[in-house]
Amino acid sequence: ETGVTQSPTHLIKTRGQQVTLRCSSQSGHNTVSWYQQALGQGPQFIFQYYREEENGRGNFPPRFSGLQFPNYSSELNVNALELDDSALYLCASSDRDGTYGYTFGSGTRLTVV
Amino acid sequence: GNSVTQMEGPVTLSEEAFLTINCTYTATGYPSLFWYVQYPGEGLQLLLKATKADDKGSNKGFEATYRKETTSFHLEKGSVQVSDSAVYFCALSGRNNDMRFGAGTRLTVKP
Repeated sequence: ETGVTQSPTHLIKTRGQQVTLRCSSQSGHNTVSWYQQALGQGPQFIFQYYREEENGRGNFPPRFSGLQFPNYSSELNVNALELDDSALYLCASSDRDGTYGYTFGSGTRLTVV
Repeated sequence: GNSVTQMEGPVTLSEEAFLTINCTYTATGYPSLFWYVQYPGEGLQLLLKATKADDKGSNKGFEATYRKETTSFHLEKGSVQVSDSAVYFCALSGRNNDMRFGAGTRLTVKP
């Protein structure tokens, strides 16, 4: 059973640029959720995808967008990067109900300069 | 909306001391409750869970009981080890499977 894989592990971007982060879900999981974790804070919910449709969204602006593919892998896209977007971005997969918890990837550390 | 409040850290203990990290929640309906642990430079790992009132989750010597009457899910361990040093997050998952996390509590265990 494979876990959740995220790429890249680290990334440095310039303010105003665009970035795409990738996530492969755990085998057997059909739901992917994305979180932003600022330094010293808890993860903040960005959005969730189920069967290629957005299935809930947190308090993030539209420049944060995503996709889910037929194999349940997912992308997070952020446009017009701001300095405050610097954070660890975590992807988590689960079954539809999430009753048994999420499996997290190790995250992508994004630094915006 | 659903939310979780956990005790602020950092918490520093000596090896073999007793650990309690408090967590309370606000939710509609009957959420599932979780504790996750995060080691430096890593993602979150599920430590334990409870899906209904009075359930006790346990793993690696850690325990937490789902208390509906006090809306709490406090994490406990009878004897901590240096290897338990990490950040601990309380979380809940509501009807829509949207996991919400507390701010985290950093635990340092000294030999």
